[in-house]
Amino acid sequence: ETGVTQTPRHLVMGMTNKKSLKCEQHLGHNAMYWYKQSAKKPLELMFVYNFKEQTENNSVPSRFSPECPNSSHLFLHLHTLQPEDSALYLCASSQSLGESYYGYTFGSGTRLTVV
Amino acid sequence: DAKTTQPTSMDCAEGRAANLPCNHSTISGNEYVYWYRQIHSQGPQYIIHGLKNNETNEMASLIITEDRKSSTLILPHATLRDTAVYYCIVRVARSSGAGSYQLTFGKGTKLSVIP
Repeated sequence: ETGVTQTPRHLVMGMTNKKSLKCEQHLGHNAMYWYKQSAKKPLELMFVYNFKEQTENNSVPSRFSPECPNSSHLFLHLHTLQPEDSALYLCASSQSLGESYYGYTFGSGTRLTVV
Repeated sequence: DAKTTQPTSMDCAEGRAANLPCNHSTISGNEYVYWYRQIHSQGPQYIIHGLKNNETNEMASLIITEDRKSSTLILPHATLRDTAVYYCIVRVARSSGAGSYQLTFGKGTKLSVIP
């Protein structure tokens, strides 16, 4: 366990479904991030939150909707996804925004398959 | 962030030292060298980082050349559980501003530890 917990670990959803991914950290970190890792592609930053306020949306389609109710929890709400959205979705946190001195801490990810 | 170059893959016998090289000839004076690894279907894991001096922790050692244009990650006694993709990243310790929070992982080195 890294201290960043993601649920579920695996998710299969139809294109008309609505589902949510959850990320939780109790490391006392103030910044949280959503990343997407598609097969054979580098990690892509999707969203950045600092003290539960969104600071960056990396041109992510509106079918992905993040929510950060507090500094410890981060959600990614999914609706009307496409098969090409199938990927490993990773949550990460850092002590403060952009602070990587001690490294970003990643969760184990949610493997999403859209059918 | 400065670009890095790593070999695509390496093999290492179990129990032997694994030496993973990284070239970063365009590194700036305020950029650190970070190493992460990603075990199959899990999130990246921070290993170690350094600026100029060699560093050691419970996981690995990091050797940075005097001109800082290259570095080597050393796993002193590789085990089967060290089989993973290892990423070398160079970046500032604290970034700020939109577009600066991405951790650019590149393709990394796939290390296979052989029994």
